[in-house]
Amino acid sequence: NAGVMQNPRHLVRRRGQEARLRCSPMKGHSHVYWYRQLPEEGLKFMVYLQKENIIDESGMPKERFSAEFPKEGPSILRIQQVVRGDSAAYFCASSPLTSGKGEQFFGPGTRLTVL
Amino acid sequence: GEDVEQSLFLSVREGDSSVINCTYTDSSSTYLYWYKQEPGAGLQLLTYIFSNMDMKQDQRLTVLLNKKDKHLSLRIADTQTGDSAIYFCAEEPSGGYNKLIFGAGTRLAVHP
Repeated sequence: NAGVMQNPRHLVRRRGQEARLRCSPMKGHSHVYWYRQLPEEGLKFMVYLQKENIIDESGMPKERFSAEFPKEGPSILRIQQVVRGDSAAYFCASSPLTSGKGEQFFGPGTRLTVL
Repeated sequence: GEDVEQSLFLSVREGDSSVINCTYTDSSSTYLYWYKQEPGAGLQLLTYIFSNMDMKQDQRLTVLLNKKDKHLSLRIADTQTGDSAIYFCAEEPSGGYNKLIFGAGTRLAVHP
């Protein structure tokens, strides 16, 4: 059973470009979470999705950021018109539908660098 | 509000015990977690404790929870160089759709 997969592992964008980060949850997991880790800081919750639904986006910036988890395919975190402050590691985590506790399994992350 | 605090650095000698401390603010948190992050890698779940427990042991790891003081600790016995990493404490507030609130992480350095 493969773990949570994220790609790309490293992404370089110039200011104003778009960044698309992909996350494939573990097999059988239908809950996906995105977190952002700024340098030397802990992870900050961004958004929680189930298939075709955004459940909690309280950590998402109001502009330029969006997330989706379609019925088929990976979850996508999209950042439009990137700025230098978006440079960070973005982690995706998944958890199983029936888990009584929020045990989350993390992917290796995508490290975004904005030039 | 929700906030998790940890000391930033800990240095120990190989073979000694390490104790990493964490304080959290949400008394309704149902589960508390310890994650390990090695350089350039994602987070690995080490252990967790349910809020109605005060201690959990798992091989070299011992978690202590003081709910009254909202204090959580992770003890690593017989610390090895492979334990060098950043350790994150995280709480899972109740009613929060399982989102995790992380501390800034404690960087553990193990020296010979």
